[in-house]
Amino acid sequence: QSALTQPASVSGSPGQSITISCTGTSSDVGGHNYVSWYQQHPGKAPKLMIFDVSKRPSGVSNRFSGSKSGNTASLTISGLLAEDEADYYCSSYTSSSTLVVFGGGTRLTVL
Amino acid sequence: EVQVVESGGGLVQPGGSLRLSCAASGFTFSNYEMNWVRQAPGKGLEWVSYISSGSSMIYYADSVKGRFTISRDNAKNSLYLQMNSLRVEDTAIYYCARGSSGSGMDVWGKGTTVTVSS
Repeated sequence: QSALTQPASVSGSPGQSITISCTGTSSDVGGHNYVSWYQQHPGKAPKLMIFDVSKRPSGVSNRFSGSKSGNTASLTISGLLAEDEADYYCSSYTSSSTLVVFGGGTRLTVL
Repeated sequence: EVQVVESGGGLVQPGGSLRLSCAASGFTFSNYEMNWVRQAPGKGLEWVSYISSGSSMIYYADSVKGRFTISRDNAKNSLYLQMNSLRVEDTAIYYCARGSSGSGMDVWGKGTTVTVSS
């Protein structure tokens, strides 16, 4: 069982917007502004899409945005494209004895 | 080009050992925190271990604590993961990733595959 909870799957049509949630606790998501999101296409390495809850690395489309409310972080993808179809993982710093926790991942299907 | 390249994976029997390496290039390795992250077949990402830029801070996932050791050689631009007492459940692709939980892991290698089986 993953430390952070994500929906197993979400779907949307091209041009639509979708939101993926990531629920943790006050020890991780809720207690720190250190949430990251990663995109992973099949057979490829993960790619950083969002860090520090809502910041985008250089080169990442502004169709990707992040936010947080309480113990739940969210990734929103607007104007869905076929190439957005991938697995998405959230990650957070945790003040527990470990340092980093990941969510179980969400499979995004573009219909 | 900024990149990291993992090596050292392979097939090992339960209880055996393996040492993974990660060669960094295109950036000042000694300035960056580094991590190992793994992904079991058909499963999600699992953070394994972290080391600060100067090796003063090291953290492990509970699942590998006491069995795995992370280290780095800044003179050789290299990161390592010594894996002992390997278990079947350690079977995974192991990724080397630059960065931290704070700034996110922004550079990833293609991974090296570790298979633990008799």
